[in-house]
Amino acid sequence: NAGVTQTPKFRVLKTGQSMTLLCAQDMNHEYMYWYRQDPGMGLRLIHYSVGEGTTAKGEVPDGYNVSRLKKQNFLLGLESAAPSQTSVYFCASARDTAGLAGLSRETQYFGPGTRLLVL
Amino acid sequence: AQKITQTQPGMFVQEKEAVTLDCTYDTSDPSYGLFWYKQPSSGEMIFLIYQGSYDQQNATEGRYSLNFQKARKSANLVISASQLGDSAMYFCAMRGSQAGANNLFFGTGTRLTVIP
Repeated sequence: NAGVTQTPKFRVLKTGQSMTLLCAQDMNHEYMYWYRQDPGMGLRLIHYSVGEGTTAKGEVPDGYNVSRLKKQNFLLGLESAAPSQTSVYFCASARDTAGLAGLSRETQYFGPGTRLLVL
Repeated sequence: AQKITQTQPGMFVQEKEAVTLDCTYDTSDPSYGLFWYKQPSSGEMIFLIYQGSYDQQNATEGRYSLNFQKARKSANLVISASQLGDSAMYFCAMRGSQAGANNLFFGTGTRLTVIP
């Protein structure tokens, strides 16, 4: 049981290049998320998915695209990387809150992170 | 909208002493949950403790406890008997009743350093 895994762990890109970050979870979770973490700013939600074939925008979606073709995988794409996208990217997954929303005790389970440097 | 504020960028504590990390929040949701996560230098996010807005008692998990003051909108994390392994970043997060898909809103974090 690996939990949430992310590929790659570290990547250097030149401005304008594209890349895809892969997140995989083996816990059969419905929900998956992509965050970015920047110094002094905590984690900010980029995109999320409530199930296979569905995605939605989070707080900072510009410059990113996502896909969830399989329940266990959530891909984050950068079509044309910019230095402002230098960050640490975290993927997370969670169970369905079964309608409890704010009262749900379900935590999110995080991957180890991907460090991305855009030159 | 939800907002989480952690006003302590860094904190120091002597080993074996207790320390309180502050977290205040702002929401108009009637029901919400508050979470604390630990991020050691290795980078992973580790769930520590949860407090529901309707919970009658403050949450406790081992050496972690949550000082929840609903009227003041604060949910401070208390770590008792600090250990060197407690040195890490700590994030407070909140989920509101309008949150889609179990979404969490995070504060900016507090870096805790435990001094031997």
